[in-house]
Amino acid sequence: GAGVSQSPSNKVTEKGKDVELRCDPISGHTALYWYRQSLGQGLEFLIYFQGNSAPDKSGLPSDRFSAERTGGSVSTLTIQRTQQEDSAVYLCASSPWDRRDYGYTFGSGTRLTVV
Amino acid sequence: DQQVKQNSPSLSVQEGRISILNCDYTNSMFDYFLWYKKYPAEGPTFLISISSIKDKNEDGRFTVFLNKSAKHLSLHIVPSQPGDSAVYFCAPHSGNTPLVFGKGTRLSVIA
Repeated sequence: GAGVSQSPSNKVTEKGKDVELRCDPISGHTALYWYRQSLGQGLEFLIYFQGNSAPDKSGLPSDRFSAERTGGSVSTLTIQRTQQEDSAVYLCASSPWDRRDYGYTFGSGTRLTVV
Repeated sequence: DQQVKQNSPSLSVQEGRISILNCDYTNSMFDYFLWYKKYPAEGPTFLISISSIKDKNEDGRFTVFLNKSAKHLSLHIVPSQPGDSAVYFCAPHSGNTPLVFGKGTRLSVIA
């Protein structure tokens, strides 16, 4: 596709339930990133994937969060046993790895509300 | 411990005037600095970048200045237009590490 696609755009879930958020990156972009933005905060890095390398999971806030990237393309971010503090906009981005001046292309995000 | 600080949460500017958005950082290893613009309900979009080997980069109405000794950069928009009203994020990185975002500055350009 022409851009980074995320689904769903909005998700309301009950506390304690698991959720899956999906990201379709731009075709050919080898790097894929997940960030989240809580109310009034900047973008917080969660995890990134580059090609076949092991992902950098250093930003995941707890072991309830996990992500995978299948076939070097689509990625799924899973949050288990959701808590109210998980409410945020989850943003996915992709980039061509060798263009450091290019920046990332972001999707429109998934707004997650835990009630 | 914030590595990237945008100390002005908001800025209001008259149309046609200059907007100056500031960003301070603490990590001396940062070697690439990017600015992103974000409209409500959309993802951030890349605006302009600068390498640490330069002190200025210009693209149309947008200019970014970098002062490495002060660990400070600024984004100048001139002339400001109502369509520039958005949240602006400073986002540096080093090597192949992910971008580190500031909390953003909300710019309002008043017609």
